[in-house]
Amino acid sequence: NAGVTQTPKFQVLKTGQSMTLQCAQDMNHEYMSWYRQDPGMGLRLIHYSVGAGITDQGEVPNGYNVSRSTTEDFPLRLLSAAPSQTSVYFCASSDRGTTEAFFGQGTRLTVV
Amino acid sequence: AQSVTQLGSHVSVSEGALVLLRCNYSSSVPPYLFWYVQYPNQGLQLLLKYTSAATLVKGINGFEAEFKKSETSFHLTKPSAHMSDAAEYFCAVSDRNDMRFGAGTRLTVKP
Repeated sequence: NAGVTQTPKFQVLKTGQSMTLQCAQDMNHEYMSWYRQDPGMGLRLIHYSVGAGITDQGEVPNGYNVSRSTTEDFPLRLLSAAPSQTSVYFCASSDRGTTEAFFGQGTRLTVV
Repeated sequence: AQSVTQLGSHVSVSEGALVLLRCNYSSSVPPYLFWYVQYPNQGLQLLLKYTSAATLVKGINGFEAEFKKSETSFHLTKPSAHMSDAAEYFCAVSDRNDMRFGAGTRLTVKP
């Protein structure tokens, strides 16, 4: 019973590089979200999806792209990494927007 | 958009003392409210949730929270702190489409 799986767990990027953070869930949840966690700021919503083919922006979407081609997967793309994107990234899924969100273990990203 | 304010970024209590973590919310629709706990280097785990049934919600590990609409509050309490309660706690609000989190409160428990 994997739940929400994020890869990689750690990543170091150089400024300007691109990468994709992977997120997969095996609970058949419709809702999936990406958050970033920074000290003293809690978790801030980057993008979310209410179902396959549907995505929307959260609080801090700039510099990030998402797509949702399947129910299971919700990758987060950084097109041109910046030091300000150094953070811990969490993916979450839920049955609906009003039910418990299940979180992955996080990806710690450092941009140098 | 909905939002959450957690009062106090750090709370320190002695083992066996009352734990009180404060959360106030803002929402244009009847809110769904949650408390999550995060242990070091881990993801978030649900402690409890309010979904418009009972205003006093009981969660895991002896925690409970009371929804007070007039005060727009959803404070988390535990009668007697245990060393294992040391962690960061997040209050969250959902308007049915997305979930927003507070800045978090780090709880320290002194022996």
